[in-house]
Amino acid sequence: AQRVTQPEKLLSVFKGAPVELKCNYSYSGSPELFWYVQYSRQRLQLLLRHISRESIKGFTADLNKGETSFHLKKPFAQEEDSAMYYCALKGQGAQKLVFGQGTRLTINP
Amino acid sequence: ETGVTQTPRHLVMGMTNKKSLKCEQHLGHNAMYWYKQSAKKPLELMFVYNFKEQTENNSVPSRFSPECPNSSHLFLHLHTLQPEDSALYLCASSQALDNYGYTFGSGTRLTVV
Repeated sequence: AQRVTQPEKLLSVFKGAPVELKCNYSYSGSPELFWYVQYSRQRLQLLLRHISRESIKGFTADLNKGETSFHLKKPFAQEEDSAMYYCALKGQGAQKLVFGQGTRLTINP
Repeated sequence: ETGVTQTPRHLVMGMTNKKSLKCEQHLGHNAMYWYKQSAKKPLELMFVYNFKEQTENNSVPSRFSPECPNSSHLFLHLHTLQPEDSALYLCASSQALDNYGYTFGSGTRLTVV
């Protein structure tokens, strides 16, 4: 079974501090992993994909197969990063996207 | 309009009503999805359609009935709903089996009274 766990429902950091949003997954094969973000009053949108190994808005995420994790990181948080963040997994060759419960990130001034 | 469009944005319905949610995508995608977003649960996949064919029904009660007349349109027909069905219903689309993820609509906020 595919499962995504985001252990923190709420995370609050100060502007300029490092941010790490945790994501762990359960899947026996090679997964495709994603981070989605939902800003206030906006639709859910793709932030980044592990397969592209890109940095978006200063965020990066590395797939760690040994720890079955895909944590989202940013070295210096900005107020506009405040949003709801969802980690999601797609099984190898599959179509279904399974989401974690989400973490609400608040950046304090 | 480009992207994924959902109507209506808000819907209040009684338990004996029949209503429909509409989703339209202008991205040329061939797969569409319905998700339910409740306050205290993760996003729950309800239905998957590939090339107009339903390929997944995630044990959704029959009071929710999807319809996909073509690759660009997806409906969710609702009847005799319960108050616990109140939630944000999200539509998404993608190219089936690619790894670009989904594009989501803004959702329909449904309240069952």
